[in-house]
Amino acid sequence: GAGVSQSPRYKVAKRGQDVALRCDPISGHVSLFWYQQALGQGPEFLTYFQNEAQLDKSGLPSDRFFAERPEGSVSTLKIQRTQQEDSAVYLCASSLPRTSGSYEQYFGPGTRLTVT
Amino acid sequence: EDKVVQSPLSLVVHEGDTVTLNCSYEVTNFRSLLWYKQEKKAPTFLFMLTSSGIEKKSGRLSSILDKKELSSILNITATQTGDSAIYLCAVEVGAQKLVFGQGTRLTINP
Repeated sequence: GAGVSQSPRYKVAKRGQDVALRCDPISGHVSLFWYQQALGQGPEFLTYFQNEAQLDKSGLPSDRFFAERPEGSVSTLKIQRTQQEDSAVYLCASSLPRTSGSYEQYFGPGTRLTVT
Repeated sequence: EDKVVQSPLSLVVHEGDTVTLNCSYEVTNFRSLLWYKQEKKAPTFLFMLTSSGIEKKSGRLSSILDKKELSSILNITATQTGDSAIYLCAVEVGAQKLVFGQGTRLTINP
């Protein structure tokens, strides 16, 4: 079956622009996660949804970052007034719920954001 | 603050060698430890470990968790050039939230 897909794969934004990054999870995966991966570092947690409910947004670095998943499937990560330090790869992952017993996260290919 | 540390950060070996990658953690609410392989793009899942001392194996790769020492190792035997990648260790804390280490960049030379 299809894996997690993300679009766009690459995005160049001028400082101050708003961007929207999209994630299509694996069909049937109720849990969805966003991570930020800076160059040479491991991914860092941003936020987590179970269906349409955003259960944890403790990793969002500022109020310029906003995520939504209105119908419990596709999710969008929005960054307002981008700054150079926002340049990173943004990874989306999805999984079955923890109660399923097999809840490892499957990652998409990421969106590489460059802010100039 | 939850922390995951991997060592070495970088490793270069010859094809056919055996390698051991290390992961140690200090977290407040440990639930599981996961290993991922990251090539150019998406991290791909290798293992999930929840119980101490039970080895998980997949082909030439194996991993084990030591909850007393708060650590895990990933072994790769008879390495091949296709094993070249960044290996990420992550600890699940709370409700499926993953805290990642910095990764080990493994290079296999022919």
